[in-house]
Amino acid sequence: KQEVTQIPAALSVPEGENLVLNCSFTDSAIYNLQWFRQDPGKGLTSLLLIQSSQREQTSGRLNASLDKSSGRSTLYIAASQPGDSATYLCAVNNQAGTALIFGKGTTLSVSS
Amino acid sequence: EAQVTQNPRYLITVTGKKLTVTCSQNMNHEYMSWYRQDPGLGLRQIYYSMNVEVTDKGDVPEGYKVSRKEKRNFPLILESPSPNQTSLYFCASTKNVGYTEAFFGQGTRLTVV
Repeated sequence: KQEVTQIPAALSVPEGENLVLNCSFTDSAIYNLQWFRQDPGKGLTSLLLIQSSQREQTSGRLNASLDKSSGRSTLYIAASQPGDSATYLCAVNNQAGTALIFGKGTTLSVSS
Repeated sequence: EAQVTQNPRYLITVTGKKLTVTCSQNMNHEYMSWYRQDPGLGLRQIYYSMNVEVTDKGDVPEGYKVSRKEKRNFPLILESPSPNQTSLYFCASTKNVGYTEAFFGQGTRLTVV
């Protein structure tokens, strides 16, 4: 059964730092991997989607990489800002493609 | 604007009183699903629908019902809510199964007393 793990569970950094969030999954047979952002009391906002055939995706200050064979993905955030403070979730599709399996998230706090 | 809309956003109810949480998407997506989010357990799938009149159970379907009579709507029904169904609920939609980006609603915070 697919399991998704995110490390660290929480991270505090000063404004301006570059940082990396980690996501690992146990079954490499995935369709895609998606990174989300969740603000307190709010919904999930899709940040980046990496198809299983891709190695990375970029959007602004965000870069996500995927190493399917080793079951790992990283989300790189450049020049962090207080507005980046949120919980970041990664998710992969199950083998049938019918469900997203989520990690428990990394809660990021960026101080000014 | 492409979006998934859930209503209500917040709901407090009593044990046993039937309720429905609505979900609607405006992207003509075939695939819709419901998740619940609980502290320490993360997000878990309740039910999903691959198209109109096609629904199936996810990982935690007990105590819930769904229907998909129209492509855009996918309501979640709690026939007899219990306190262990207190949770944050999310509706999601994707263009089709597996390959494409998932869009989530803003969530419904349900408290059953």
